[in-house]
Amino acid sequence: GAVVSQHPSRVICKSGTSVKIECRSLDFQATTMFWYRQFPKQSLMLMATSNEGSKATYEQGVEKDKFLINHASLTLSTLTVTSAHPEDSSFYICSARAVVGTYEQYFGPGTRLTVT
Amino acid sequence: GESVGLHLPTLSVQEGDNSIINCAYSNSASDYFIWYKQESGKGPQFIIDIRSNMDKRQGQRVTVLLNKTVKHLSLQIAATQPGDSAVYFCAEGGGATNKLIFGTGTLLAVQP
Repeated sequence: GAVVSQHPSRVICKSGTSVKIECRSLDFQATTMFWYRQFPKQSLMLMATSNEGSKATYEQGVEKDKFLINHASLTLSTLTVTSAHPEDSSFYICSARAVVGTYEQYFGPGTRLTVT
Repeated sequence: GESVGLHLPTLSVQEGDNSIINCAYSNSASDYFIWYKQESGKGPQFIIDIRSNMDKRQGQRVTVLLNKTVKHLSLQIAATQPGDSAVYFCAEGGGATNKLIFGTGTLLAVQP
């Protein structure tokens, strides 16, 4: 149980284009989903917290107009990287939380984004 | 962002030995701590957690120790196996948002 999927697992896009990454909770309803970014040999950095039906809360330094997050249902959140640049190349990981007020998060397998 | 590490410390152990991975956390108000294992190209995998009202918790082959006085967390892996080779992250949680803040990470390399 508690499986989170991400799609695509890898994506290559040209500089200036936009790319959408999906995060799905497969066997539970996620009231909250989180998006992280991870550069090589570095830790996970929280980008934003997404609650179903409301606007995402972005961490300091994360551009909300560049990283669009939509959490339209209890099982799906999407992250759209707009006008991607090579410096946006990274490993993007989502997680989902089933129970409000708990810390437990279930992580997806990650999406490797390469911007050329 | 918070807690972004620039370098990954490495712990190299022989197969069969015990491993101890350490983590210094930042927020004295944190009340929940988790250890994750991350293999290359994959998402983090839950290993074990501990709440701040405990100082030790054991799982299968793993033990987490919490020292709140010095804000230190450790993960002990017994009889380390090649499959344990991965990056290990501690994470701390606390506050109204229940966000997790990840530590720098340690690369565990198990030598056969």
